[in-house]
Amino acid sequence: NAGVMQNPRHLVRRRGQEARLRCSPMKGHSHVYWYRQLPEEGLKFMVYLQKENIIDESGMPKERFSAEFPKEGPSILRIQQVVRGDSAAYFCASSPQASGYLSNTGELFFGEGSRLTVL
Amino acid sequence: RKEVEQDPGPFNVPEGATVAFNCTYSNSASQSFFWYRQDCRKEPKLLMSVYSSGNEDGRFTAQLNRASQYISLLIRDSKLSDSATYLCVVPTGKLIFGQGTTLQVKP
Repeated sequence: NAGVMQNPRHLVRRRGQEARLRCSPMKGHSHVYWYRQLPEEGLKFMVYLQKENIIDESGMPKERFSAEFPKEGPSILRIQQVVRGDSAAYFCASSPQASGYLSNTGELFFGEGSRLTVL
Repeated sequence: RKEVEQDPGPFNVPEGATVAFNCTYSNSASQSFFWYRQDCRKEPKLLMSVYSSGNEDGRFTAQLNRASQYISLLIRDSKLSDSATYLCVVPTGKLIFGQGTTLQVKP
C-alpha cells in the first residue's frame, strides 16, 4: 500500500550545485503538487502538474527552479545553482482528481518530504 | 491582508483542556475549507473539512463564519497526542496553507 514516495529524504548540496527531488504519486493519482516549507513557516505552494503538463506554476521562483511530470516516471523538482535560501523541506502531494485545485474536496496525500540543506 | 492567517502560538494547555484556534481568510469566494495536522517534521494530513454547516468529529469541531471570514477548530478534552501544528487551508484555485498554530498539550 505505497503512499506518495519522495526521494531522497535528505539531500545536502553546496552552493552552486544542482538538486533533483523525485516524487512518485500514489497509484492511480495523476495530479501532483509541490510545496516548500521553510523552517518555522507554513507550506508554500510551488507548482501543480498533471501528466506531461504544468497546470499552475505561480508559486515557482522565476529562475533556477523547474518541475516536470513525464508520461512515465516520477515527478521531478529541479533546483539549479542552489543557494542557502533554498534550504527547506520540499513536500510533494498527489490526488486522484484535481482535489487540490479548483475543487471542494481539498484532500491531498503528502509524501514525507525531501529535506534540502545547502552548505 | 494575507490570504490565510493563523496565530502561530504556541498554545500550551493541560490535558483535558478545551482549546480553540481561529484562522482568517481574505478570499470571500472560497466555499469550503480544511484543517490539516502536521506532526513535527512530518507530512501534513487532512484532519477535517469545513463546509457552511460546520463539522464535528469526536472531540474536534470545525466551524465557519462567512460574515467575518474566519474558520475555527475546537478541540475538547485535549490529549497528549493532540500536540501538533494545525494548518488552516483555503482553496483559492490551489490550496493555500496557513502558517499553522502549534499546540502543546502538557500532562
